Amino acid sequence: EDKVVQSPLSLVVHEGDTVTLNCSYEVTNFRSLLWYKQEKKAPTFLFMLTSSGIEKKSGRLSSILDKKELSSILNITATQTGDSAIYLCAYYSGGSNYKLTFGKGTLLTVNP
Amino acid sequence: NAGVTQTPKFQVLKTGQSMTLQCAQDMNHEYMSWYRQDPGMGLRLIHYSVGAGITDQGEVPNGYNVSRSTTEDFPLRLLSAAPSQTSVYFCASTRTGGSPLHFGNGTRLTVT
Repeated sequence: EDKVVQSPLSLVVHEGDTVTLNCSYEVTNFRSLLWYKQEKKAPTFLFMLTSSGIEKKSGRLSSILDKKELSSILNITATQTGDSAIYLCAYYSGGSNYKLTFGKGTLLTVNP
Repeated sequence: NAGVTQTPKFQVLKTGQSMTLQCAQDMNHEYMSWYRQDPGMGLRLIHYSVGAGITDQGEVPNGYNVSRSTTEDFPLRLLSAAPSQTSVYFCASTRTGGSPLHFGNGTRLTVT
């Protein structure tokens, strides 16, 4: 069965720290991997990765895919309290159902 | 541009009652889906639709019905509510397979 595993499940850091969140996947077919941030309400899109080794960056957040290792990391540098959220990883395996399969998420808490 | 709109935001039901969660999008997206989110379980796909008149089951479809009579609307019906259906429900849409999902703000449902 295809699956996505995120680690750690939860993490508490201080403002200014750098964090790395992990996502590994076991899928029969792979087309893309997506990261979302979820605060109190709807998950919001961060990155979509399709090619190995190409880093996507947005401000203090960056992400990279390793297709050989079937994994991705999300880095957040100089964390702020506003980064506190659940970070979700999902993959898309292609096909007409457009389905995203999500991991359980990493709960990040940034303390002042 | 409203995006994906879900109503109601909160709902309390008694076991055995039925109700419909509403979802509407104004982005002309062909694909729409319903997820439920439970603590420690991530987001799990209930039902999805790849266009008006076409629906299919996801991972956890039991106890739920959907229909898609228009591109804009994708209601989720609970036929006979059970405590196991206590959850947060998210509707999401996207233009094409593999594109990021756009989520609504969720409906928090409690079944007593």
